[in-house]
Amino acid sequence: DAKTTQPPSMDCAEGRAANLPCNHSTISGNEYVYWYRQIHSQGPQYIIHGLKNNETNEMASLIITEDRKSSTLILPHATLRDTAVYYCIVRAMNRDDKIIFGKGTRLHILP
Amino acid sequence: SAVISQKPSRDICQRGTSLTIQCQVDSQVTMMFWYRQQPGQSLTLIATANQGSEATYESGFVIDKFPISRPNLTFSTLTVSNMSPEDSSIYLCSVGWGNNEQFFGPGTRLTVL
Repeated sequence: DAKTTQPPSMDCAEGRAANLPCNHSTISGNEYVYWYRQIHSQGPQYIIHGLKNNETNEMASLIITEDRKSSTLILPHATLRDTAVYYCIVRAMNRDDKIIFGKGTRLHILP
Repeated sequence: SAVISQKPSRDICQRGTSLTIQCQVDSQVTMMFWYRQQPGQSLTLIATANQGSEATYESGFVIDKFPISRPNLTFSTLTVSNMSPEDSSIYLCSVGWGNNEQFFGPGTRLTVL
């Protein structure tokens, strides 16, 4: 079973920041938080991951609470092309660990 | 990163037949996985394709229904056997190095009549 809880859907106005929450209250010390997204009719795309520090890359920022029980993915300036299903995943960093997907959040960017 | 191709990209098959899906990666990878995504649903892991040994299947999936081959570090196949309409899904290949990101192929859209 997925170890994360996400809202089923969210709306965000184009040009505004999209903040996608994720709860992972049972996360273990060796588990990372990963975010993927799936644009319609495509395979999932890696966005970002982190352990306990906040992370930023060219796509997004990841804010992880101090207790690591929740996190927020931030798309700073959402565009229509960011409309997708966003998956928050908890995963241990070892050779054999696989990605188990939950239901994700369907993000609609509104013009 | 990795460039992953899948063949066929889509197919329409008759009940009772089998289809073999190919996954080709442009570089050697440690891990290869097969996922299924039923209409309107999230992705479900079918199995881990192990090079040189039998695949490791997740609960609810068996080798007789979904035989998998992985002859080398860049190629794998998934066969969907004795198909029924319930097997209509997108089948995705995924690869990684067991250390960081995991990359996904474009998927194979299967419709079973």
